[in-house]
Amino acid sequence: AQSVTQLDSQVPVFEEAPVELRCNYSSSVSVYLFWYVQYPNQGLQLLLKYLSGSTLVKGINGFEAEFNKSQTSFHLRKPSVHISDTAEYFCAVSGSNNNDMRFGAGTRLTVKP
Amino acid sequence: EPEVTQTPSHQVTQMGQEVILRCVPISNHLYFYWYRQILGQKVEFLVSFYNNEISEKSEIFDDQFSVERPDGSNFTLKIRSTKLEDSAMYFCASSEQRGVPGELFFGEGSRLTVL
Repeated sequence: AQSVTQLDSQVPVFEEAPVELRCNYSSSVSVYLFWYVQYPNQGLQLLLKYLSGSTLVKGINGFEAEFNKSQTSFHLRKPSVHISDTAEYFCAVSGSNNNDMRFGAGTRLTVKP
Repeated sequence: EPEVTQTPSHQVTQMGQEVILRCVPISNHLYFYWYRQILGQKVEFLVSFYNNEISEKSEIFDDQFSVERPDGSNFTLKIRSTKLEDSAMYFCASSEQRGVPGELFFGEGSRLTVL
């Protein structure tokens, strides 16, 4: 079975600063990795996903993530954040034979002016 | 753009009452899921459903829970006798494919408050 660890529960950052949200996974099989964002009082929206190919994945809203197999990581980055990026961010992993995702505990990103 | 819709958006119920949460998945999707998120905690997998039967369920999904696809469009989660600890946001999701991991499309959630 696969699992996900998000190392930071809260990340405060000033507007226009860069940010990295960390995610590590464990799995005995090939994995597929996802980042979802949850804005206040809304559902989960897919930011980006890694299925195969290039390890650097670009998503919506200027976010990107890099799959690092040796470090079993899939950290999310953005070079310059906006106030509107304030949200909860969830890393998720799915196995190769099912779509049953498992989520990390989430990282609350707070962007301050 | 097609989307997953959930009703009600918020339900308040008394402990011991039955609750049914409803979901309309995206029309051409074949795989359906329920997840829940207790306030301030992680999103937890409850159950997946395909071809009119449960394909996988978590430890949380005990005998108090059941799922059904009563017609061609709705996918429901029933909690038979609610407990205080069932208070959470419940998310429905659907996906088009199995085997090749794809994107799960989530609804906006149904907030259940058990008093």
